[in-house]
Amino acid sequence: EAGVAQSPRYKIIEKRQSVAFWCNPISGHATLYWYQQILGQGPKLLIQFQNNGVVDDSQLPKDRFSAERLKGVDSTLKIQPAKLEDSAVYLCASSSWVAGAYNEQFFGPGTRLTVL
Amino acid sequence: GNSVTQMEGPVTLSEEAFLTINCTYTATGYPSLFWYVQYPGEGLQLLLKATKADDKGSNKGFEATYRKETTSFHLEKGSVQVSDSAVYFCALSDRSFQKLVFGTGTRLLVSP
Repeated sequence: EAGVAQSPRYKIIEKRQSVAFWCNPISGHATLYWYQQILGQGPKLLIQFQNNGVVDDSQLPKDRFSAERLKGVDSTLKIQPAKLEDSAVYLCASSSWVAGAYNEQFFGPGTRLTVL
Repeated sequence: GNSVTQMEGPVTLSEEAFLTINCTYTATGYPSLFWYVQYPGEGLQLLLKATKADDKGSNKGFEATYRKETTSFHLEKGSVQVSDSAVYFCALSDRSFQKLVFGTGTRLLVSP
């Protein structure tokens, strides 16, 4: 079974530029998560999708971050414009949802963003 | 709000040494508790979990017991290997696997 795919693996941009990250979850997983992991910290949830609807985006900085999952499969996270403090690893995870219960989250390898 | 505190690293051990990584939590209600591992260049992997008090999670020789009275979930392994070198994250959720809150991670370095 293929795991969660993310691209690119690395990205270097200058502040005020825009950047987008892509995630393809495990086939059949209805729930998709984006996390931000700043160096030396644990991952922090940015947004959670259930199919193509948003379940939780309370920690997403909506003035500059946006995310979509239009067809309920793959997802894109965008930052526009980027700030220095956005330098982090962006992790995508997915999980199945069966009989009203969420199951284990499987994580992708992440995209390491450096903002100069 | 919910939070997790785990010991700072790095933890440096020789092969076959005993490992303990401390983790304590603050949460309302009855959280589920997890240990995740992140090997170099790889994504986070679930190592073990416990969903109620006194449960013991175990996997690959690692164990952790959900202690409600001390709000702790310490990770232990009797004999570490070089291949165990990784970053270990303690985490909790308010419902099973929902709204994961992670600790800051503890890097383990095992030398031959």
